[in-house]
Amino acid sequence: DTEVTQTPKHLVMGMTNKKSLKCEQHMGHRAMYWYKQKAKKPPELMFVYSYEKLSINESVPSRFSPECPNSSLLNLHLHALQPEDSALYLCASGPAGYEKLFFGSGTQLSVL
Amino acid sequence: GENVEQHPSTLSVQEGDSAVIKCTYSDSASNYFPWYKQELGKRPQLIIDIRSNVGEKKDQRIAVTLNKTAKHFSLHITETQPEDSAVYFCAASNNNDMRFGAGTRLTVKP
Repeated sequence: DTEVTQTPKHLVMGMTNKKSLKCEQHMGHRAMYWYKQKAKKPPELMFVYSYEKLSINESVPSRFSPECPNSSLLNLHLHALQPEDSALYLCASGPAGYEKLFFGSGTQLSVL
Repeated sequence: GENVEQHPSTLSVQEGDSAVIKCTYSDSASNYFPWYKQELGKRPQLIIDIRSNVGEKKDQRIAVTLNKTAKHFSLHITETQPEDSAVYFCAASNNNDMRFGAGTRLTVKP
């Protein structure tokens, strides 16, 4: 299995909602990433898990909360988001050290 | 931190012509340089990568060159086809971080 699976594909939520994005990979990768991508912009790193431990938090607002239940799963919990948080959220996995990242198809998030 | 600049931002070529996209980086510790292709509404996909101990790498119609001294690397696509139309992102990594360039929108006209 050479895919990174993300659910849901689309999500519309209000500013008071709580939702979660899910990501799964079965390639035995030890690093998993959350990226945020605005239209016509490159992906921006949000979180990195290496061997199931959060290694980098790029000063992301606390309304985004990552979770890595095991080496194959990665979640992103969302709470009290703002309209400017609307974007494509991409999950990626890789062997380690940012090399050969495989991206999921993303969750297109709209915050109303 | 790392800063990656990418040029041009848009590129239009005729089918069959070659396309070249260039990137520069600032961190001399960067040692891994991937290129990602992102079609409209799709995920970024790794198309080729190069490590700092190699000057050139080729995979069919795609090649990447790296000049460590000048801190720049380039993507070369030969015999372009309409399905090559996409946004291409370069990136530079020092194993502790990876930064993307701003992207190049390539359009291949049939």
